[in-house]
Amino acid sequence: DAGVIQSPRHEVTEMGQEVTLRCKPISGHNSLFWYRQTMMRGLELLIYFNNNVPIDDSGMPEDRFSAKMPNASFSTLKIQPSEPRDSAVYFCASTPDSSIYGYTFGSGTRLTVV
Amino acid sequence: SQQGEEDPQALSIQEGENATMNCSYKTSINNLQWYRQNSGRGLVHLILIRSNEREKHSGRLRVTLDTSKKSSSLLITASRAADTASYFCATLSGGSYIPTFGRGTSLIVHP
Repeated sequence: DAGVIQSPRHEVTEMGQEVTLRCKPISGHNSLFWYRQTMMRGLELLIYFNNNVPIDDSGMPEDRFSAKMPNASFSTLKIQPSEPRDSAVYFCASTPDSSIYGYTFGSGTRLTVV
Repeated sequence: SQQGEEDPQALSIQEGENATMNCSYKTSINNLQWYRQNSGRGLVHLILIRSNEREKHSGRLRVTLDTSKKSSSLLITASRAADTASYFCATLSGGSYIPTFGRGTSLIVHP
């Protein structure tokens, strides 16, 4: 199994541009999480999907952020328009539908908004 | 708000020494998990300990859980330079499947 796959690994964009981050969870994992990591705030949960349905999006900063999971093998996180304060590393993680397993993280997307 | 808080924030030791990191939390938990993050990489799951367990081992790792004190410790024995990383604890409470992460302990092991 290739693990959780995120793309791109690095993204540099200009303020105001749209950014789309992608995630492919591990097959059979029906819970998916998007996290953002910064030095100032640490790891912040953005949104949690279960069986492709958004369960908790209370961590989504504002309307500029949106996330979708059209099927069990793909999720996107979109920022439109992007701002310099969105610069961070964005992680996707997945787990089987049980709290007895740990979470498998992707390698992350390092986003820089200039 | 983040439930788990690791202590110390940073730890610097020599290869071969033991490293101990602590995690404190505020509310009752179902389980507590420890993760490692190497620089520029994602988090890697190390150990999960349930609320009814007191100690778990995995190779050179030993995790303890004291629910009366709402704290856990991660011990890495005979540390190696390759153990240099940040270590995070994450807690799961109630019926939630959403892990809450602490700020992490940055461990540096000098060869």
